Amino acid sequence: EPEVTQTPSHQVTQMGQEVILRCVPISNHLYFYWYRQILGQKVEFLVSFYNNEISEKSEIFDDQFSVERPDGSNFTLKIRSTKLEDSAMYFCASMDYNQETQYFGPGTRLLVL
Amino acid sequence: AQSVTQLGSHVSVSEGALVLLRCNYSSSVPPYLFWYVQYPNQGLQLLLKYTSAATLVKGINGFEAEFKKSETSFHLTKPSAHMRDAAEYFCAVSEGNNDMRFGAGTRLTVKP
Repeated sequence: EPEVTQTPSHQVTQMGQEVILRCVPISNHLYFYWYRQILGQKVEFLVSFYNNEISEKSEIFDDQFSVERPDGSNFTLKIRSTKLEDSAMYFCASMDYNQETQYFGPGTRLLVL
Repeated sequence: AQSVTQLGSHVSVSEGALVLLRCNYSSSVPPYLFWYVQYPNQGLQLLLKYTSAATLVKGINGFEAEFKKSETSFHLTKPSAHMRDAAEYFCAVSEGNNDMRFGAGTRLTVKP
């Protein structure tokens, strides 16, 4: 069964450094998403992406964040200058044309020191 | 914007007992509703979904949920809990291709 994959599974970085989180959505899906989950808290929406542009973003998704679909398979989340409070699990999700169900990847656990 | 409220951050049941996890939603349009399960140190796995078909939805691992428009609820149930059901459960609402809004989650503990 097709799955959303994410790399790396864990990343540790120093405050102020840039990180890029990578996702490979399910191949025929058209809608892509990033969510984050701070430890012990609920899953929060960051951004949705369709037709090579951002379709919606939350107040969390400030100028430090950017997303890209550099080729036909990858979907990336870049955090330009990480802060301590960016430490969280980041989930990628994708959805097909029928716009019903988002399928989630296993997540990348980011720790900012 | 759509939102979800999960009543009870922790639910504890005995093995073999009924599981009931509560979820109420708010949405300006007919919603899509979901339950996801998260096992420790893992990602989100879809348990079941409601997308305007049958109001009683059956999912994996013996779980089911009933969409009740009059009560704006989508409670998750399982007749008999198993130890392996211990996990965090998230209710979520979507209005189509928009972002999905999650509830705060309910941690289910199953006692032997």
